[in-house]
Amino acid sequence: NAGVIQTPRHKVTGKGQEATLWCEPISGHSAVFWYRQTIVQGLEFLTYFRNQAPIDDSGMPKERFSAQMPNQSHSTLKIQSTQPQDSAVYLCASSLTGNTLYFGEGSRLIVV
Amino acid sequence: GDSVTQTEGLVTLTEGLPVMLNCTYQSTYSPFLFWYVQHLNEAPKLLLKSFTDNKRPEHQGFHATLHKSSSSFHLQKSSAQLSDSALYYCALRGSNNRIFFGDGTQLVVKP
Repeated sequence: NAGVIQTPRHKVTGKGQEATLWCEPISGHSAVFWYRQTIVQGLEFLTYFRNQAPIDDSGMPKERFSAQMPNQSHSTLKIQSTQPQDSAVYLCASSLTGNTLYFGEGSRLIVV
Repeated sequence: GDSVTQTEGLVTLTEGLPVMLNCTYQSTYSPFLFWYVQHLNEAPKLLLKSFTDNKRPEHQGFHATLHKSSSSFHLQKSSAQLSDSALYYCALRGSNNRIFFGDGTQLVVKP
């Protein structure tokens, strides 16, 4: 039984470029969460979807971050005009009931 | 609003001693709390979660009790092992059913 799959695992991008991160949730899970992890801020909530519908994006920086879930098998997090402060590990998690989260390995983004 | 507070950023102790990691919360709803553990270079994993039927959740020797009177869900273990060294997050299911995390406590267990 495959867990949550995130790609790419590592991405280096130049300042001002766009970065897109992908997440494939566990089959059958109806909720998908995105978090950003840094040493300073810990695990920050970004956004989440239930049954593909956006439910809460209160943690998303509004201007450059966007997330979508076009179908039940994948979600994307897009960061436009990346800045050095966007460097972090971006974690995707899925959940069957909305309680227990199953995390992917994360996508490490480095903006140079 | 909803919030989770972990006061200790780093806890260092000797193998065999008891562990207690603090977690307090504020919740506008009936609270549902979790502890997640993240070992080095791994993804966070659920360690245990609170129940509403007064059961005390336990897993891998860890346990936590939800005390609504003090808004706490401290994580405890009677005897630390070297393999317990990891980053521990307390989490709360809040409004809109979003799950958000405390700042985390790094536990280092020394021989």
